[in-house]
Amino acid sequence: QVQLQQSGPGLVKPSQTLSLACAVSGASVSSGIYSWNWIRQPAGRGLEWIGRIHPSGSVDYSPSLKDRVTISLDTSKNQVSLNLTSVTAADTALYFCARWWVVGAFDPWGQGTLVTVSS
Amino acid sequence: QPVLTQPPSASGAPGQGVTISCSASNSNIGSTSVNWYQQVPGTAPRLLIYSSNQRPSGVPDRFSASKSGSSASLAIRGLQSEDEADYYCAIWVGGLGVVFGAGTKLTVL
Repeated sequence: QVQLQQSGPGLVKPSQTLSLACAVSGASVSSGIYSWNWIRQPAGRGLEWIGRIHPSGSVDYSPSLKDRVTISLDTSKNQVSLNLTSVTAADTALYFCARWWVVGAFDPWGQGTLVTVSS
Repeated sequence: QPVLTQPPSASGAPGQGVTISCSASNSNIGSTSVNWYQQVPGTAPRLLIYSSNQRPSGVPDRFSASKSGSSASLAIRGLQSEDEADYYCAIWVGGLGVVFGAGTKLTVL
């Protein structure tokens, strides 16, 4: 059974970089049949796709965030990472990692990490 | 940018059925795969339907979905209290990535 375990700080100061990790168990992040994604959800609002990385190195980012976001893989740790630079209060949200599998859908999801941007 | 429009809310009594719609503004849902996710607020979403009408293992057959033209729909029959959640449709759009609907809050009366 594939499980995604997220970690990272819950509080980030404005203008700093938000960094989250997503440790994968039960599957290899190097497998070419998956991509690894980040999605976020501001409080009381809907889901927003941030971006994805494929083991080939290919990345796709949301046009609205592409100038500030980096998604990377650490195959030695079997984990996926998210970096979002120059954060503001608008980046306060519940952040999820998720696997995109062969049928073209997100499954499973990480448990979510609430990140608050505040001084 | 394509937008997926969902009704903000839906409701039904236990045992009844309910349908949630998902309409695309400037793209044709009929030519792409639609996914549906169920989310209890504060928890991670759960994949409910993939490839427009397929249920992953473990999802009850009370849940079904279809699409036609620029719209898709999720049907839930035999409502149960545990179905009370938010439901999101989603599609992949080239150049934009995954686009989610705004979500529909389902209340089981």
